[in-house]
Order: sequence, then structure tokens, then C-alpha cells
Amino acid sequence: EVQLVESGGGLIQPGGSLRLSCAASGFTVSDNYMSWVRQAPGEGLEWVSVLYSGGSTFYADSVKGRFTISRDKSKNTLFLQMNSLRVEDTAVYYCGRERPLFHWGQGTLVTVSS
Amino acid sequence: DIQMTQSPSSLSASVGDRVTITCRASQGIGNYLAWYQQKPGKVPRLLIYAASILQSGVPSRFSGSGSGTDFTLTISSLQPEDVATYYCQKYNSAPLTFGGGTKVEIK
Repeated sequence: EVQLVESGGGLIQPGGSLRLSCAASGFTVSDNYMSWVRQAPGEGLEWVSVLYSGGSTFYADSVKGRFTISRDKSKNTLFLQMNSLRVEDTAVYYCGRERPLFHWGQGTLVTVSS
Repeated sequence: DIQMTQSPSSLSASVGDRVTITCRASQGIGNYLAWYQQKPGKVPRLLIYAASILQSGVPSRFSGSGSGTDFTLTISSLQPEDVATYYCQKYNSAPLTFGGGTKVEIK
């Protein structure tokens, strides 16, 4: 059974950094397209980043240069390193498998506030 | 970048009604279009991919159509459990943009 479990969210001050993790089971992260999607409170879904199985990475303009997507094969885990966080980055962050997103994690809340 | 525009942004319909939601891409995306359902307080789930293929376990009252720039999600007979926000997403190439969402309520 495919499972995705995000962690690493929390309260962080503007300008700070946070690393989100998405632990996968039931499949191999490095063999799949893996995405991060976020949802600000009361808002719609916003695609954030994707890591292709071949290693290519892409980002939404809103996070380009600040966020980095990566994976650890030995841990079968996807990461999102978030630097220079802004208030507008406050959201629930979901990881998802494949393209389109056949499987989603339960999400982890990131709150950027002073 | 290709923009995805959904309409309407919200709708209210009676149980048993046929409901149609549209999604328009600013450029052609072939059939690389997915629809998701997000119930209040829940994680989104995939309903339809490749514009018209029903994901396993999704009720047959849901259907999708279209290609190129214009796509449609149809609920043939609205049920109370269909109250949710529906999103389209292009996935032919990055950025994998979502539409703005359509909130469906029961009248």
C-alpha cells in the first residue's frame, strides 16, 4: 500500500528556514515523479515543485531561488528545503506521487509569523 | 507559462441535478488534464486523469471530457457526498498548474 507521511512543519519567523520531509512506503521515491503542493488557509491548491525520476527539478515562480526539492534514496524520502520564508508561505504542504498526483500525504502545516 | 481557468468559482445545485465544471488552458495541453476533489477539511483526491479516465474507486456519475484547451468535469446526478471543491491541473510539463477551484454546494 502506498503511503506518504509529511513532517517538519511548524511555526517559524519570517526569514527563517525549515525542511519538510515526506517519508514514502509501498513504492520507490526515486522511480517516480514527486511533487510538493501547498494550500494557504482558505485558499486553493498551489503547485510548488516537482522532482522527476531522472533528477530534473522545477519550481513555481513564487518559490524559485528559495526552495529546494531533493530526495534520499536510502531513506526513500522526499524533502523540501525552504529558506528565506515569508508570511505568504504559510500553508499546509502536501507531497504527492506521480504526475498527476495519484497519492497524497496528509499534509504538514507551516506557519510563518513573527 | 500556461494558465488554467476554472468556471464557475462556485455553484449551488439540487440533489440529482447534472453539474458541469469547465477548465480552460491558455495554450493546448493535449489530454494532460486531471481533476481532483477536496472535501472540507480533507486531503485532495484524484478523480480523473488523462482528461477522461476515471480513477479507480471513483463513482461512475463523475466523467471528464475535452482536449487541447477546453475540458469539462460532469457529475451526472449530484449527491450530498459530492459537496467539495474541485480542481483541475495540467501535468504535461512544469509548472504543473492548478485551476482556481470550483466549490460545489447543495441547494
